[in-house]
Amino acid sequence: QKEVEQNSGPLSVPEGAIASLNCTYSDRGSQSFFWYRQYSGKSPELIMSIYSNGDKEDGRFTAQLNKASQYVSLLIRDSQPSDSATYLCAVSPDSGTYKYIFGTGTRLKVLA
Amino acid sequence: DTGVSQDPRHKITKRGQNVTFRCDPISEHNRLYWYRQTLGQGPEFLTYFQNEAQLEKSRLLSDRFSAERPKGSFSTLEIQRTEQGDSAMYLCASSLSPSGPEAFFGQGTRLTVV
Repeated sequence: QKEVEQNSGPLSVPEGAIASLNCTYSDRGSQSFFWYRQYSGKSPELIMSIYSNGDKEDGRFTAQLNKASQYVSLLIRDSQPSDSATYLCAVSPDSGTYKYIFGTGTRLKVLA
Repeated sequence: DTGVSQDPRHKITKRGQNVTFRCDPISEHNRLYWYRQTLGQGPEFLTYFQNEAQLEKSRLLSDRFSAERPKGSFSTLEIQRTEQGDSAMYLCASSLSPSGPEAFFGQGTRLTVV
């Protein structure tokens, strides 16, 4: 069974610190990787997508992908209390099909 | 509002009743997905459509579940003879294939079976 693993947390970081969220996946053929943020009772919203090995930066967010290790991570710099949410790692078997396999999510708490 | 719209937002039903949810995707999106999310878990894929064709169904989608997308626009998800285990958030998402960069999620329908 194809799986995506995340530490459920909570991960607590002080305001202004770097939050590091990690995800591993079992299907070596996975093509597309996504990080979604979900506030309590709300729907997931896309933070980052990454398709090739290496780093991808967007503002305070950096996604890192290592296909050989089947590992994807999300770094949040200068963490703010408004970043407090559950971060879902999602993996898709091919590009263009959003038949995601989601992890259980990591709950992030940014302490003011 | 041009996002993905789901109706109703909340539904409480008695065990054994049938329920139907509706999803209106972003207008130009040709792909539509249904997911189910239980408390403390990530969303689980149920099924997806390209236009009016249902291309894939998860093993999670038992015979009591049926989804349709007539005319390739809105979609409905029906659950027959609801069970307490069906209590969850049902999320709809849409995307533009093949070039769309992501799937956009609606606000979900929270189903409670009592």
